[in-house]
Amino acid sequence: GQQLNQSPQSMFIQEGEDVSMNCTSSSIFNTWLWYKQDPGEGPVLLIALYKAGELTSNGRLTAQFGITRKDSFLNISASIPSDVGIYFCAGQGLSGTYKYIFGTGTRLKVLA
Amino acid sequence: DGGITQSPKYLFRKEGQNVTLSCEQNLNHDAMYWYRQDPGQGLRLIYYSQIVNDFQKGDIAEGYSVSREKKESFPLTVTSAQKNPTAFYLCASNQVSYGYTFGSGTRLTVV
Repeated sequence: GQQLNQSPQSMFIQEGEDVSMNCTSSSIFNTWLWYKQDPGEGPVLLIALYKAGELTSNGRLTAQFGITRKDSFLNISASIPSDVGIYFCAGQGLSGTYKYIFGTGTRLKVLA
Repeated sequence: DGGITQSPKYLFRKEGQNVTLSCEQNLNHDAMYWYRQDPGQGLRLIYYSQIVNDFQKGDIAEGYSVSREKKESFPLTVTSAQKNPTAFYLCASNQVSYGYTFGSGTRLTVV
């Protein structure tokens, strides 16, 4: 089945550093979501984006809906140890539908 | 509090046994989903349902079965035909055009 490409696949960073990750698709999406999964838990929704060019923040997290509608970006500023986990993007191509397509995930490890 | 509940948290299965994973939601969501996650991997869709008494196969449905007799409930049975069932299983639900709410997962191990 189709999956979105996330980059990087994994990253180790020092506490306090900023983090950037992105998600790309070969097709246009109308909605982009970003989730975080803590070890052994289900993913939790961080940010939802509904409009091309939209920039939305949630605390230290900022996400953008790409102008081409084929990509999205997530930035985490001043990372802390509890940022560790897997970050997934998800996209929906048609409005008024249920199912989303998920990215392959970016695994983040923060070194104190 | 509204949410989605998966049980049990941990499940052990002997070779050749069928086991059923429970997923219940009180969010009044129409759609429900089952995903499989292997260590270090992403989410792979097993089955999904958008309405009671109807469901569709996802990308890796072989060896699994589901039912949707009630809106709130979407149990997943891992049958003996699933040759490599050890994984983390996630249930999710949503309303049209809205993001998923996930359960906390069931870790299934074959012993």
